Amino acid sequence: EVNLLESGGGLVQSGGSLRLSCAASGFIFKNYALTWVRQAPGKGLEWVSTVSGSGGTTYYADSVKGRFTVSRDNSKNTLYLQMNSLRVEDAALYYCAKARQMWVDWAGFDFWGQGTLVSVSS
Amino acid sequence: SYVLTQPPSVSVAPGKTASITCGGNNLGSKSLSWFQQKAGQAPVLVIFNHDDRPSGIPERFSGSSSGNTATLTISRVEAGDEADYFCQVWDTNTNHHLFGGGTKVTVL
Repeated sequence: EVNLLESGGGLVQSGGSLRLSCAASGFIFKNYALTWVRQAPGKGLEWVSTVSGSGGTTYYADSVKGRFTVSRDNSKNTLYLQMNSLRVEDAALYYCAKARQMWVDWAGFDFWGQGTLVSVSS
Repeated sequence: SYVLTQPPSVSVAPGKTASITCGGNNLGSKSLSWFQQKAGQAPVLVIFNHDDRPSGIPERFSGSSSGNTATLTISRVEAGDEADYFCQVWDTNTNHHLFGGGTKVTVL
């Protein structure tokens, strides 16, 4: 059974930093791209970043490029999102999601975690 | 930039059929997924590749596409289908995933 468990959310001041983690189990971790998606309260889904299975290729939304860094540790089956220079508009529930197909970075998502909440004060 | 357009809301009576559209340029040529998100829960994949259904998703959920429009159809709607529904594609021009704005389905 696939399981994705996010952690690391919390309250941070504008301009601060936070690192999110997503611990995964139930699948061959290194074979699948992983993605961060966020959802502000009462709003829709917004794609944040994707990392390939090897970790060698990363993709970012324009809204976070240069401030956020996605990475993964395939020996620990864990995905990370380092968030720097946080803004009020970054406040959201952050989900990690698993790619639906092996080796395909652009494949859609078949499993999602329950999310971790990031709050940013001004 | 590429945009996916969904109606904000759809209302349907129990037992009837709900149709949710997702519009985008040349959408039929992209790999499109649909997600269901019930209140307070994480999204769940209900359709991928426009018309494929993951295991465990009822046959009442189906997808189709033509030209610039994709459609998620929910047949014999039940109260438990009340949720937000999002379409999603990968934009090959920007190498970005994109979501539609979401459609709230209300069961009357």
